[in-house]
Amino acid sequence: DSGVTQTPKHLITATGQRVTLRCSPRSGDLSVYWYQQSLDQGLQFLIQYYNGEERAKGNILERFSAQQFPDLHSELNLSSLELGDSALYFCASSENGQGNQPQHFGDGTRLSIL
Amino acid sequence: AQTVTQSQPEMSVQEAETVTLSCTYDTSESDYYLFWYKQPPSRQMILVIRQEAYKQQNATENRFSVNFQKAAKSFSLKISDSQLGDAAMYFCAYKRYNNNDMRFGAGTRLTVKP
Repeated sequence: DSGVTQTPKHLITATGQRVTLRCSPRSGDLSVYWYQQSLDQGLQFLIQYYNGEERAKGNILERFSAQQFPDLHSELNLSSLELGDSALYFCASSENGQGNQPQHFGDGTRLSIL
Repeated sequence: AQTVTQSQPEMSVQEAETVTLSCTYDTSESDYYLFWYKQPPSRQMILVIRQEAYKQQNATENRFSVNFQKAAKSFSLKISDSQLGDAAMYFCAYKRYNNNDMRFGAGTRLTVKP
């Protein structure tokens, strides 16, 4: 158990819809990262937040947004969903925002778009 | 851009034997971090081992060790005394020292035969 909690574990929805994925980092971790794992693109970094502020941005679509709240949990919002958004979405956390800290991953949320 | 290449889509090993998984990366940076993550069928992403580029000594974690060749930009993972529980996808990952955009390879699926 990594200590990172992601909800829900599975999500099934239709094209055009909007969903919110939730992540609670390990106790004491200030930094949260979001990743997308799909069959064609592999594992891709989406975005990082550190103590409530956006720290780094990767291959995140404009239809996607994220935020980190004062209690340090984070949400990833996906809107205008397309079939290609079907993937496993991981949240990871680390103690600080420095690159020398390992990232600990949650179990992921599997998103299926019908 | 930094890229990570895992040239072995699949590998198999006999239980109790040793196997080496290959990883090469491309970077112009001198300071960076390298990681091996394990993803079993349960789909969790589990940190196996990490290496700081400035350290010449190869990292080890129990039965897992790496062969880090900085000049060759190579970072292989050796699993000794393979166990059935080692069966998983293994991902090699790269992260620049001051950047949290972690790049992953395509993964190697390891099968352990009893």
